[in-house]
Amino acid sequence: DAGVIQSPRHEVTEMGQEVTLRCKPISGHNSLFWYRQTMMRGLELLIYFNNNVPIDDSGMPEDRFSAKMPNASFSTLKIQPSEPRDSAVYFCASSPRAQNTGELFFGEGSRLTVL
Amino acid sequence: DAKTTQPPSMDCAEGRAANLPCNHSTISGNEYVYWYRQIHSQGPQYIIHGLKNNETNEMASLIITEDRKSSTLILPHATLRDTAVYYCIVRLQGAQKLVFGQGTRLTINP
Repeated sequence: DAGVIQSPRHEVTEMGQEVTLRCKPISGHNSLFWYRQTMMRGLELLIYFNNNVPIDDSGMPEDRFSAKMPNASFSTLKIQPSEPRDSAVYFCASSPRAQNTGELFFGEGSRLTVL
Repeated sequence: DAKTTQPPSMDCAEGRAANLPCNHSTISGNEYVYWYRQIHSQGPQYIIHGLKNNETNEMASLIITEDRKSSTLILPHATLRDTAVYYCIVRLQGAQKLVFGQGTRLTINP
C-alpha cells in the first residue's frame, strides 16, 4: 500500500489567499485525522472523521478553517483567507477503526508558509 | 485523557540501549499507554502500546510499572536512525483521539 498521501508537500502563499490541502487515506481505513504542527504548539488535532462524517472538530482554530471528506478516499482541509500564523506543517493520518488499536498512519505532511 | 511527563531531551550512544521514561501518575484503569516517534521532517510513526503488561515488538519494548504510574520505552540497540522525538501518550480505551505532548528529543551519538 502506498500509505497516506498528502498534497501539496510544500505551499507558499500570500496572506488572504485560499489554501487547500489534500489527503488520500490508506485504502480500507475509515477514520481520518487532520493535525497541525508548529514549533510553539507542537502537534494539535484539528478534526477527525469516521466513515466520512466529522466526529470532533473542536480543534479547528476558527471559521477560516474547514474540512471535508466527500468520500472514503479523499479529504480536504481548506483555509480561507489564510494568515501568516497559519504557517505550519499539516499532517493527515488514517486508521482502521474496526481494529481500534490506536495506531494512526501519518502522511508526510504539507508544509504551508503564508507570507 | 491523563497527562504525561517526559524529559525534553536525552542522549544515547549508538549500539547501547536507549531507555525513555514517561510519567503518567493520573492514568486510569482503562487508559492505554502509546508511544510514537517523529523523525525529522516526517509524520509521526507508531511504535508500541500497552495496558498493564510489558510489551515487545520488532521496534521496541514497553515496560509499565505495576502501579501503572510510569513506563519506559526501550530501544535495545539504538542506531543513528533512531534519532527522533519520542511521544508518550495516554489514551482512553475505545477513544480515537491521540493527543500529543512535547515528547523527548532523543539523539543517538556515534
